[in-house]
Amino acid sequence: DAGVIQSPRHEVTEMGQEVTLRCKPISGHNSLFWYRQTMMRGLELLIYFNNNVPIDDSGMPEDRFSAKMPNASFSTLKIQPSEPRDSAVYFCASSLRVGPRQETQYFGPGTRLLVL
Amino acid sequence: AQSVTQPDIHITVSEGASLELRCNYSYGATPYLFWYVQSPGQGLQLLLKYFSGDTLVQGIKGFEAEFKRSQSSFNLRKPSVHWSDAAEYFCAVQRYGGSQGNLIFGKGTKLSVKP
Repeated sequence: DAGVIQSPRHEVTEMGQEVTLRCKPISGHNSLFWYRQTMMRGLELLIYFNNNVPIDDSGMPEDRFSAKMPNASFSTLKIQPSEPRDSAVYFCASSLRVGPRQETQYFGPGTRLLVL
Repeated sequence: AQSVTQPDIHITVSEGASLELRCNYSYGATPYLFWYVQSPGQGLQLLLKYFSGDTLVQGIKGFEAEFKRSQSSFNLRKPSVHWSDAAEYFCAVQRYGGSQGNLIFGKGTKLSVKP
């Protein structure tokens, strides 16, 4: 299996621009997570989908952030407008949830975002 | 609320020496526990996990971890460190059941290896 695929791997943009990050989960997984990693806050969950439905978006910083999962094989995380404080590494992870049990999460390589 | 504490921000060991990275968690029920490793510029790779059963779990790359409920700990060990083990290590706890399946991570421990 190819693992979790994220694109782009690096993104440099100017403040105020729209940024779209993409994720393809592992085939057969029904849960998808977006995490953000910063020096100050470490790894923190932004949003969690199960069967393409957002279950927990309490970690989304503010209305400038939005995430979608139109089908089981694709998700996007959008920032509009972007700000310098959004600079971070954004990870996508996927796993299989069977009933109440969430199996191991597998992470993509991340997208390094720099907002100037 | 669940939390994970990795008390050591940075550890330096000599190549060939033994290693123990500490992890303490706060969780009201039986946790699922994980150790991930992150090499510079890379994503997170699963080293090992504990769901239930034997409290000593073996992982990849010669790592092992021991779950101690009485101490709320899940320390990572390796008997002989290799230079390629230099990376950042994250301990994580996961809820069982409910609506949330996300991982709660510690702040990480950066491992440096001296030749």
